[in-house]
Amino acid sequence: DTAVSQTPKYLVTQMGNDKSIKCEQNLGHDTMYWYKQDSKKFLKIMFSYNNKELIINETVPNRFSPKSPDKAHLNLHINSLELGDSAVYFCASSHGGLTADTQYFGPGTRLTVL
Amino acid sequence: DQQVKQNSPSLSVQEGRISILNCDYTNSMFDYFLWYKKYPAEGPTFLISISSIKDKNEDGRFTVFLNKSAKHLSLHIVPSQPGDSAVYFCAAPKVAGNTGKLIFGQGTTLQVKP
Repeated sequence: DTAVSQTPKYLVTQMGNDKSIKCEQNLGHDTMYWYKQDSKKFLKIMFSYNNKELIINETVPNRFSPKSPDKAHLNLHINSLELGDSAVYFCASSHGGLTADTQYFGPGTRLTVL
Repeated sequence: DQQVKQNSPSLSVQEGRISILNCDYTNSMFDYFLWYKKYPAEGPTFLISISSIKDKNEDGRFTVFLNKSAKHLSLHIVPSQPGDSAVYFCAAPKVAGNTGKLIFGQGTTLQVKP
């Protein structure tokens, strides 16, 4: 049973295109996150949703728009893709947003922008 | 400004020996620290955590030590096993009491040789 799943696993696209990455968790968690792992391997929080409401929005270009149709899903839509968007994107979920709540990560989506 | 740093990008140890992974932080307000482990093509998985009220937390072969005065923590793995070969990330919540905004180090790749 996959706890946090992401599709697609790999995504190769041209600059200027619009693409989406989907994330689903079957853990019954209320909070979901998107992280970006850049070329220097740092994992950085992008967004967090709690029960479909945005609670964290780091300084991410507004070309990135998360959408949460329900608390089990948090999709990431990216408009006008740029070369610098190439990275691995990880979705994660946790029961809540408290210190004791472990975050469970998906396998990642490797996005390559040509 | 990277507030959590792992200055050793890689570490190689012999099976059965001790592995020591280090992490430094700059923000004295951090009150909780986590270690995540990541295998290739998978997302990070939670390994062990420590609250700032403690200086040691042990879970089986894994022990995390916290030195608040030095703003330093370390993960000890004893004895190391080949299956421990992975990337290890140190992390801290940016907001006290809330893991919603985890700040990750850049990771240390551990290789355990049989």
